[in-house]
Amino acid sequence: QKEVEQNSGPLSVPEGAIASLNCTYSDRGSQSFFWYRQYSGKSPELIMFIYSNGDKEDGRFTAQLNKASQYVSLLIRDSQPSDSATYLCAVNILANTGKLIFGQGTTLQVKP
Amino acid sequence: DTAVSQTPKYLVTQMGNDKSIKCEQNLGHDTMYWYKQDSKKFLKIMFSYNNKELIINETVPNRFSPKSPDKAHLNLHINSLELGDSAVYFCASSQGVAGLYQETQYFGPGTRLLVL
Repeated sequence: QKEVEQNSGPLSVPEGAIASLNCTYSDRGSQSFFWYRQYSGKSPELIMFIYSNGDKEDGRFTAQLNKASQYVSLLIRDSQPSDSATYLCAVNILANTGKLIFGQGTTLQVKP
Repeated sequence: DTAVSQTPKYLVTQMGNDKSIKCEQNLGHDTMYWYKQDSKKFLKIMFSYNNKELIINETVPNRFSPKSPDKAHLNLHINSLELGDSAVYFCASSQGVAGLYQETQYFGPGTRLLVL
């Protein structure tokens, strides 16, 4: 079983819709969770991090964490064509080391 | 005022050569990392240094050797390059390794290595 799993997509949504990106992880002891966005040919860029169960909102982005289900998601409201990118879920699985394990990423396509 | 910088951006070389990639961060961070992103876009950690001390050393061929001359620099030297080493190598840094905000990692622009 992969440590961090994402559906590779592509996930296609129309402009203005809500895009929902999902991620599951295997290590129940994981404490911190990150979403990165990566445009083609560019480096990963941090969007959000979340530590506690529940929702965390930042602008059009909402991260949701459910540790009991080992599930973290990212919602993008009012999706724009500029949101088209690969979204990487990352989990810190080893406390006090900074060791991030990344999922394979979900490619999001927002169609005008 | 680039936060995490890498040189070179592109590296094309022959099999068997030795090459180095350099990374510098001006964020005042204590921790730096090397990642490899393969053709399937899978991003995997290779090494991490905290205050010049090696703290993460993943299972990578010993042809790969990181060196951290100071907290702001982390270089990657690769001996006897192989075709399978072709990938994008990203450097990243974070303030620390644990705690809210401390462990957030910021990535450099990447070095695209092509081994022929």
